[in-house]
Amino acid sequence: ETGVTQSPTHLIKTRGQQVTLRCSSQSGHNTVSWYQQALGQGPQFIFQYYREEENGRGNFPPRFSGLQFPNYSSELNVNALELDDSALYLCASSLEGLAPGNEQFFGPGTRLTVL
Amino acid sequence: AQSVAQPEDQVNVAEGNPLTVKCTYSVSGNPYLFWYVQYPNRGLQFLLKYITGDNLVKGSYGFEAEFNKSQTSFHLKKPSALVSDSALYFCAVRVPRNTGGFKTIFGAGTRLFVKA
Repeated sequence: ETGVTQSPTHLIKTRGQQVTLRCSSQSGHNTVSWYQQALGQGPQFIFQYYREEENGRGNFPPRFSGLQFPNYSSELNVNALELDDSALYLCASSLEGLAPGNEQFFGPGTRLTVL
Repeated sequence: AQSVAQPEDQVNVAEGNPLTVKCTYSVSGNPYLFWYVQYPNRGLQFLLKYITGDNLVKGSYGFEAEFNKSQTSFHLKKPSALVSDSALYFCAVRVPRNTGGFKTIFGAGTRLFVKA
């Protein structure tokens, strides 16, 4: 059983650029959630994908978008990067459906720096 | 608004002493409560959860947490702290969304320092 992996580990971009972050979910998990963790803060929910469809979104603008693929891996895309987008981006996978009680398994994160 | 509060930014404890990391929540309906730990440059790691049943929940690495419905709290505890327990601890609650599905709300985190 492989864990959650994310790529790249670190990324440096400039304002206005676009970025794509990738996540491979844990084997057998059908749900992927993305979080933004700013320095010194707790993770903030961006959105969640369940069986290739977005089924939940936090308070993030539309320039944050995502995809989930048939193998349940996922991408997070951010357009028109702003300085405040600098953060650790965490991907978490879980086995869900209607049951909310399953824990999430987190990847190591991608550290994005916007200059 | 649904929220999670961790009132202490930092907790300091000597090795071998008991530790408590506090968490309170505000949600409508039955809460699904979680504790996660984050080590430097790592993602979050699940420790334990409360869904229903016994109010005292036991988890990984000797940690436990007590669900108190009347005080809306879910404090993390360990009888004897280890230096290796030093990390950032997050309390979280899973809540239903108005548009369907669920989302997880995290507290701001509490940094635990265990001194040898």
